[in-house]
Amino acid sequence: RKEVEQDPGPFNVPEGATVAFNCTYSNSASQSFFWYRQDCRKEPKLLMSVYSSGNEDGRFTAQLNRASQYISLLIRDSKLSDSATYLCVVNLYNDYKLSFGAGTTVTVRA
Amino acid sequence: DVKVTQSSRYLVKRTGEKVFLECVQDMDHENMFWYRQDPGLGLRLIYFSYDVKMKEKGDIPEGYSVSREKKERFSLILESASTNQTSMYLCASSLRAGRYGYTFGSGTRLTVV
Repeated sequence: RKEVEQDPGPFNVPEGATVAFNCTYSNSASQSFFWYRQDCRKEPKLLMSVYSSGNEDGRFTAQLNRASQYISLLIRDSKLSDSATYLCVVNLYNDYKLSFGAGTTVTVRA
Repeated sequence: DVKVTQSSRYLVKRTGEKVFLECVQDMDHENMFWYRQDPGLGLRLIYFSYDVKMKEKGDIPEGYSVSREKKERFSLILESASTNQTSMYLCASSLRAGRYGYTFGSGTRLTVV
């Protein structure tokens, strides 16, 4: 079993739609969680950290479910510019290293 | 903003060559990392360093070495490049333990022919 697992997608959605996807992680003691966005042939960039109480940043909402060991990302009112690969990132062992999921691809069509 | 700069955006090298990939960060971060990213395999950690002159192997260190002589600079060395090392190489840095996420450089796309 992979330590950080994501549905690879692709999720193909029309502009204005809502899209949501999850990521599961293997260590129940993990403390830090992030969503990164990666555009084609570019480096990953931090989209948002994920806090225990859930958090929102504009059209993006992140949730953490410790009991079931997953985090989620929801994108409301999708824009063409939201097309990207979204990486789930977890500090699995609360040390220097982050563990990356393989990414979920989202394509927003006009 | 933290800036992580990788010396080359694209590189083409011949099999057997010794290759140096350089990474510099400007925000006094303790931790630096080298990853490679391949389609379908995601990001894989090659080496990381949590202090000057300190280095630790990641998940796929074979065929690579690193050097960190100064806090701001972390170099990845391919001792004898092979075609299976053709990949996107990403450098990252972070402050302290991984609570704050990483900042990545823009990547070096290396092709070994």
